[in-house]
Order: sequence, then structure tokens, then C-alpha cells
Amino acid sequence: DTAVSQTPKYLVTQMGNDKSIKCEQNLGHDTMYWYKQDSKKFLKIMFSYNNKELIINETVPNRFSPKSPDKAHLNLHINSLELGDSAVYFCASSQVRFGRGTETQYFGPGTRLLVL
Amino acid sequence: GENVEQHPSTLSVQEGDSAVIKCTYSDSASNYFPWYKQELGKRPQLIIDIRSNVGEKKDQRIAVTLNKTAKHFSLHITETQPEDSAVYFCAASGGSNYKLTFGKGTLLTVNP
Repeated sequence: DTAVSQTPKYLVTQMGNDKSIKCEQNLGHDTMYWYKQDSKKFLKIMFSYNNKELIINETVPNRFSPKSPDKAHLNLHINSLELGDSAVYFCASSQVRFGRGTETQYFGPGTRLLVL
Repeated sequence: GENVEQHPSTLSVQEGDSAVIKCTYSDSASNYFPWYKQELGKRPQLIIDIRSNVGEKKDQRIAVTLNKTAKHFSLHITETQPEDSAVYFCAASGGSNYKLTFGKGTLLTVNP
């Protein structure tokens, strides 16, 4: 059984287009994350939702908008795509223990976005 | 916010040798320190983690040590094998901060 899944796996699109990436976890976790991994392999947190509430919102252009319809799903919508958005986007999930911070984060397989 | 520094950025060893990767963190409130392994084209996967109430943890050929006073932690891989070749990331998190801050990664190459 896939614990954290993402669709699509690959996304090739033109500059200026709008696209969405979907993420689902079946681990029963209450917190989900979006990370961006650039060509230098640096993993940078973008957003996090805890029980459908936004708890982390890093300095990300407002062209990126996360949406969490329920605690098992976290989607990422990107408007007006730019060349610099090309990267691998990873979804992750964990269980948060208040006062202890995050437990182990489990990553999805990644979505490879290429903007032409 | 938290800042995690990781060294070296690349590490090449002969099969059977040991490999050590070191990280430092800035936020003294951090209390959870995982290590992830990422093979080429794959997702990061947890290989070992340590919490601040423990100084060392071992799992077969992998060990992690933590020095809270100096704010640094290290990953030790003994008897390295070619399949250990990957990018390794350290990270830190803690308290009411649900965020994992990652180091920039170490590309480990194990030569047969």
C-alpha cells in the first residue's frame, strides 16, 4: 500500500500556464507538507497544514496556493508558471505531537515539474 | 529561525571504509534530529533519527551521535557498501515548531 502518493509524477508545461499537483496520505497523520527540491538538491519547506489549518507558510510567491480539503489530502496549485518553478515537488506527512514538534515525516514519490 | 549546516557536501570512500557526515544547528530548542537518504530519482527516506534526551543511537551499520551543548550531530556509516551511495540529509526540528529544517545534503559515493 502506498503511504504518501502524488499525482502526476511528471509535469511538462509552458510558461504562463496554471497547474495543480495532488497529494494523498493513508497513514492517518494530521499534518502534511509541501517541499521544493531544486537542481542543487536543496529541500525547502513551502507549506504545512495541520488538520486542514495552514501552520507553515514560508516565503513563497503567492502564485503558489495550497489547499487541504481534509487531513488526508493536500493539493498545490501554481498560477502563471515561470521557468524558475522547474523543480521536484515533494509532499510529506507526519503526526505532530504538541510540545514535541513533528514526528517522522514520510515523503511522497515527488512530482517533476518542467516549465518550458 | 533554525539554520542547519551540513559537511561535507561530497564524500567519496572505498567499499568497507567508514563514512561520517556532520551537521550543526542553531536553535537550542530543537529536539528532533532525523537523517534521510535519497537515492537518485527517488524520495527522501528516513534512515535513523535521534531525540535530544539521547546521546547516541545505533541501527546495524548506521549510528547517530548528538552533542546538545555544542549543537552538533553526526551520522556514522560503517562497512560501507556501493548501495549506500546516495545523498544524505540531516534535519532539525523541535518544540512547538513543526518545521523540519534540512541541511544542504551530502553526496556519498562508495567505490567498489
